Amino acid sequence: DTEVTQTPKHLVMGMTNKKSLKCEQHMGHRAMYWYKQKAKKPPELMFVYSYEKLSINESVPSRFSPECPNSSLLNLHLHALQPEDSALYLCASSQVMGFSTDTQYFGPGTRLTVL
Amino acid sequence: AQTVTQSQPEMSVQEAETVTLSCTYDTSESDYYLFWYKQPPSRQMILVIRQEAYKQQNATENRFSVNFQKAAKSFSLKISDSQLGDAAMYFCAYRSGFGNEKLTFGTGTRLTIIP
Repeated sequence: DTEVTQTPKHLVMGMTNKKSLKCEQHMGHRAMYWYKQKAKKPPELMFVYSYEKLSINESVPSRFSPECPNSSLLNLHLHALQPEDSALYLCASSQVMGFSTDTQYFGPGTRLTVL
Repeated sequence: AQTVTQSQPEMSVQEAETVTLSCTYDTSESDYYLFWYKQPPSRQMILVIRQEAYKQQNATENRFSVNFQKAAKSFSLKISDSQLGDAAMYFCAYRSGFGNEKLTFGTGTRLTIIP
C-alpha cells in the first residue's frame, strides 16, 4: 500500500486566519516532505522531516510552520498568509536507507486559496 | 547544482500509438536516481518508473519503459499502446544518491491522448 492521505482537499482562508494542513502515511516511512506547486509548474520543496526531525527548510517564510508529531503524521500550520501563497500543497513520504532516502510517494494535495 | 530539462512542453499521441517524452539532466555525480512522475488533472503525483544510475539495464513497468543514456545524460520515457488514462503532466526528476533527499524536477510535459 503506497498511500499518502491529505486533508482537507480544499481550503479557503483569509489573510488573518490560522489553519492547518494534515498529511498521514502508514507505510513505515521515516522521511516526510511538504511541497508547494503553482499551476503548470513543478513542485517546489518546502520542508523535509527525517525521523521526526526537520532536516531541510528551503528558506520558507515563517508564516508556514511545519510539525511532525510522530512518524506517521505531518502538519503544516498556516498563519497570516498572502494571496500569492495560493497553490496546491503536496505531501510526500519515503523510506530512509542508511544515509539516503528512497522513492518519494505523494499524496493527492490540498488546494489552498488565500483571499 | 543539478538541473533537469524537459524540452517538450506539450505532446500528443493517438490512442494505441507509442510516444516518447524527452528528459536531459546535468550532474557531476556518479550515484543518482532518476524518476518519471505522472500528474493527471486529478492532481495526485504518481510514480511511473524509477532508474538507478548504476544499473545499465533500462527500467520497464508494463507499457512504460525508459531509454537511459548515462554518458549523454538523457532519460526518455516511452509509453507504448497509449491509453486515454495516460493523459497527464509528466515530470522527470533527479535525486542524488548521497543522502540528499531533494528531488529536482523538470518543467513537465503535458501529454494529450487523441481518441
